[in-house]
Amino acid sequence: GAVVSQHPSRVICKSGTSVKIECRSLDFQATTMFWYRQFPKKSLMLMATSNEGSKATYEQGVEKDKFLINHASLTLSTLTVTSAHPEDSSFYICSARRGALSNQPQHFGDGTRLSIL
Amino acid sequence: GENVEQHPSTLSVQEGDSAVIKCTYSDSASNYFPWYKQELGKRPQLIIDIRSNVGEKKDQRIAVTLNKTAKHFSLHITETQPEDSAVYFCAAYTNAGKSTFGDGTTLTVKP
Repeated sequence: GAVVSQHPSRVICKSGTSVKIECRSLDFQATTMFWYRQFPKKSLMLMATSNEGSKATYEQGVEKDKFLINHASLTLSTLTVTSAHPEDSSFYICSARRGALSNQPQHFGDGTRLSIL
Repeated sequence: GENVEQHPSTLSVQEGDSAVIKCTYSDSASNYFPWYKQELGKRPQLIIDIRSNVGEKKDQRIAVTLNKTAKHFSLHITETQPEDSAVYFCAAYTNAGKSTFGDGTTLTVKP
């Protein structure tokens, strides 16, 4: 159980394009999902916390207008990188928490490797 | 905010030896400490976790210890195998659910 599916796995696109990444919890409902960014050989950097039915909570330094997050249902959160530029190229990973309590495990998606030309 | 420091950044051991990775955290309100294993290009996978009301937890060859007073927790892997080679991340979570990850430890187990 606790499967999280993330699509697409890889995106290559031109500068200026907007890219949408989907994160789905397949066998459980997730009121809270998380979006991370990971640079090569670096740690996971939390970008934002996505709450079903409400606005996402962004971490300091993350542009909310640049990284749009929507969590319209208990099984789907989306991250849209708007007007992407080469510096946005990175590995983006989502995770979902199964329960409502903060001390429950998070389950990660397979990640999306975004390359902006 | 929370600050999590993880050491060492790289660790190389001989197959069969033990490996220990340590993390310290700064926020005394943190109450949940998972460890993740990430193989190259793959998702982080939860391998073990511990909550603040427990001092030690073991699952076969893997154990985690927590010292709340000193604000540090450690991952112990015994009888290491080549397939244990990966990057390991610790994390600390507060009551609000906010997570802070350590910088990771690249473990190499030599056959």
